[in-house]
Amino acid sequence: GQNIDQPTEMTATEGAIVQINCTYQTSGFNGLFWYQQHAGEAPTFLSYNVLDGLEEKGRFSSFLSRSKGYSYLLLKELQMKDSASYLCAALDQTGANNLFFGTGTRLTVIP
Amino acid sequence: GAGVSQSPSNKVTEKGKDVELRCDPISGHTALYWYRQSLGQGLEFLIYFQGNSAPDKSGLPSDRFSAERTGGSVSTLTIQRTQQEDSAVYLCASSLAGLAGTETQYFGPGTRLLVL
Repeated sequence: GQNIDQPTEMTATEGAIVQINCTYQTSGFNGLFWYQQHAGEAPTFLSYNVLDGLEEKGRFSSFLSRSKGYSYLLLKELQMKDSASYLCAALDQTGANNLFFGTGTRLTVIP
Repeated sequence: GAGVSQSPSNKVTEKGKDVELRCDPISGHTALYWYRQSLGQGLEFLIYFQGNSAPDKSGLPSDRFSAERTGGSVSTLTIQRTQQEDSAVYLCASSLAGLAGTETQYFGPGTRLLVL
């Protein structure tokens, strides 16, 4: 089966750095996605990691360790608009191209 | 270019009625997915279409749920004899599929279904 775990809520201060962790267990793992979802809106793509290591994209970076079944999303220089839910999703290609989502981490950025 | 579109954006129905939700994927995307997001829950995979292959229906919660994709493009998710627990946001996503790195799924705005 599949299991995706991430913290339910986090709070951080504007201008600071925050790291959102995700652990996953899936049999046919073929990549880890991070999506951002503002309240009442559809998820939007942030990053995709399939190899171990850190991928940097502006203020956002994503890290993957396949051996540990672990990923994190790093947000730097936080802005108020970064307040949203951040969804971790593992791509499982056992039989089909399925994306399994965690419940999301609701990040609140405070002044 | 245009993104994934879904209609209606909101649907209120009475328990026991049937509903149809529509999804228009991004042009050229061969893979199409339906998800359900209940209040405070993560996204729940429902069904996956890849080209003209038989769909993966492993996520459908009951036989009241069905989906079809006509001509490899537009998809319709049908819920028969709706129940109150069907109330959720139904999200559609599409992707190019095929090679790794092209698996990014792009989501539509969702249909908010409320069953009274």
